[in-house]
Parts: sequence; C-alpha cells; structure tokens
Amino acid sequence: AQSVTQLGSHVSVSEGALVLLRCNYSSSVPPYLFWYVQCPNQGLQLLLKYTTGATLVKGINGFEAEFKKSETSFHLTKPSAHMSDAAEYFCAVKDDYGLSFGAGTTVTVGA
Amino acid sequence: NAGVTQTPKFQVLKTGQSMTLQCAQDMNHNSMYWYRQDPGMGLRLIYYSASEGTTDKGEVPNGYNVSRLNKREFSLRLESAAPSQTSVYFCASSERAGVGNTIYFGEGSWLTVV
Repeated sequence: AQSVTQLGSHVSVSEGALVLLRCNYSSSVPPYLFWYVQCPNQGLQLLLKYTTGATLVKGINGFEAEFKKSETSFHLTKPSAHMSDAAEYFCAVKDDYGLSFGAGTTVTVGA
Repeated sequence: NAGVTQTPKFQVLKTGQSMTLQCAQDMNHNSMYWYRQDPGMGLRLIYYSASEGTTDKGEVPNGYNVSRLNKREFSLRLESAAPSQTSVYFCASSERAGVGNTIYFGEGSWLTVV
C-alpha cells in the first residue's frame, strides 16, 4: 500500500517569507503524488500533481513541488507567502482505489 | 460549474438515528468516493465506486453503506449513527479510478452525532 507522511502539523511563516511543507511517501510502485489545499470550512482544491515527466511541478497560486525519488520526497514550496495562503495543506499519493492522504499541515501567515 | 455537490451541508443526529448523505457530480466521471476527515488524521476513504454498478470498501467502511444510484449519484448511509461518526464527510469523483487522474472534492458535510 502507498502512504505519505507530512512532517509538521503546523507551520507559521511571515508574509513574504518562504513556505516549505514537507511530504515523504512510501510506495511499492512509481508514485503519483498530489498536493491539495483546504480553506476553512471548504472542500479540497488541487494545487498540483506529479504523475510522470518533469520532476519539478508548478501549480496554482505560485506553489511548486519537486519529486525526489532518491529521498522519497515531494515537498511543497512557495517563495513568498501571502496572507491568503493561510489554510490546511494535504499531501496525497494515489493508491489502488483512491488517494491516501497525509495528516495535513496547517499554515498560518503573520504580518 | 457545480462539479461535486453534496447535501446536507450540516446535520445533527441523535445516537441510533439513520441518515443518508447525497452526492452528485456533473463531470461525467466514472469513479466516485466517500471520505471522512477527522482532526490530525487527514482524509480516510470509506467507500468507493470505480464505475457505475460497483462499490467497494475503503479503509474505514464499518457503520456505513453506499449506493451508486446511477453514473451521477453516490449516496452514503449511516444506519445507526454513533458519536464516533461525528466527522466531516467529503464526496469526490474522478474520471477513472486509475492512477494519475485528479480527484475532485465536494465542499463537505458536517455531521454531529450526539
């Protein structure tokens, strides 16, 4: 079975600072990896995904993630945080019948 | 652009009551899913339907039943609600259950069992 681990349940950043959210995966097959964002009381919105090809994936709202097979990682970054980035972020890996999610990382952005 | 629509958005139940969460998608997707979200646990798959006419258990199916009514609709039923089923429930769909397909989520249903 495939699984992901998100390191850090809460991350606090200052507006304009780098956002780095860590995700490591475990998979017996080449993984398909996803990052979703959830704003308060909302559903999940896809930020980006990696299936095959280029290992640096660009998503919406200035986010990007790099697939590193040697490190079994798929960390999410954004160079400059904005107040609107405050949300919960979920890393996920495609498994046999759906997605297996990490526990989530809540991002707070301070002025 | 409705996407995945689920109802109701909020519900309070008493222990032992039954209820059905309704879900419909307008993207002509083959596969549909029900997840529950609990603090610190991410989302966990309850049931899924890879295609019309099929349903299968996910990670946490106990206490739930599902019906794939047609290609558009996938309902989740709690026959005898328990406080442990207090959660946020998300319906989702994808073109197919195969790898690489993006899964699209509804806005969630907040269920409290007292």
